[in-house]
Amino acid sequence: QVQLVQSGAEVKKPGASVKVSCKASGYTFTSYDINWVRQATGQGLEWMGWMNPNSGNTVYAQKFQGRVSMTKSTSISTAYMELSSLRSEDTAVYYCARSIAVAGNWYFDLWGRGTLVTVSS
Amino acid sequence: DIQMTQSPSSLSASVGDRVTITCRASQSISNFLNWYQQKPGQAPNLLIYAASSLQNGVPSRFSGSASGTDFTLTISGLQPEDFATYYCQQTYSTPFTFGPGTKVDIK
Repeated sequence: QVQLVQSGAEVKKPGASVKVSCKASGYTFTSYDINWVRQATGQGLEWMGWMNPNSGNTVYAQKFQGRVSMTKSTSISTAYMELSSLRSEDTAVYYCARSIAVAGNWYFDLWGRGTLVTVSS
Repeated sequence: DIQMTQSPSSLSASVGDRVTITCRASQSISNFLNWYQQKPGQAPNLLIYAASSLQNGVPSRFSGSASGTDFTLTISGLQPEDFATYYCQQTYSTPFTFGPGTKVDIK
């Protein structure tokens, strides 16, 4: 079954870091980029960045530069997103999503179920 | 960054209605525009990619079109399972930005 399975909910204190995992199954992990998108409660979708699981190359949104790190473990087909220096505004559901490119157009065809990260003192 | 706007922000419609949602980009994005549906408590689901291509498995009542920097998602014959929030997304350049969403609810 083609799917992305994310790790469970996290509660963190301000200033801490969180690392969310995203395990791919049913397809070749290194053949598709993995993106991370977050959504605060009742709000819209915000793209954080992407990682190429083959090369490990990453592109981060400027907003998260210096605070986010996207990595992978190819042997277990898992992508990771670590966000540091957490603040209350980082409370959100974090999604991983697979992207495909057709004629230069990227689209996200497979999503994980999301991981709720709550930042609270 | 490319800004995406959507209109309306919400709408009420009945089963069987034809619904149109518009998305506008702040600059030219060619046809690098995707549409997603999101239901409460669920991840987004891809409906349309490259402005007008229907994703596999998506009902044919969904369609997309483009005119310059304006993009349209049309639902022809709204079904009960279509009540959800719809987002457009540009993937012309990073950061890939989403529109603020259009919530479709029952009249």
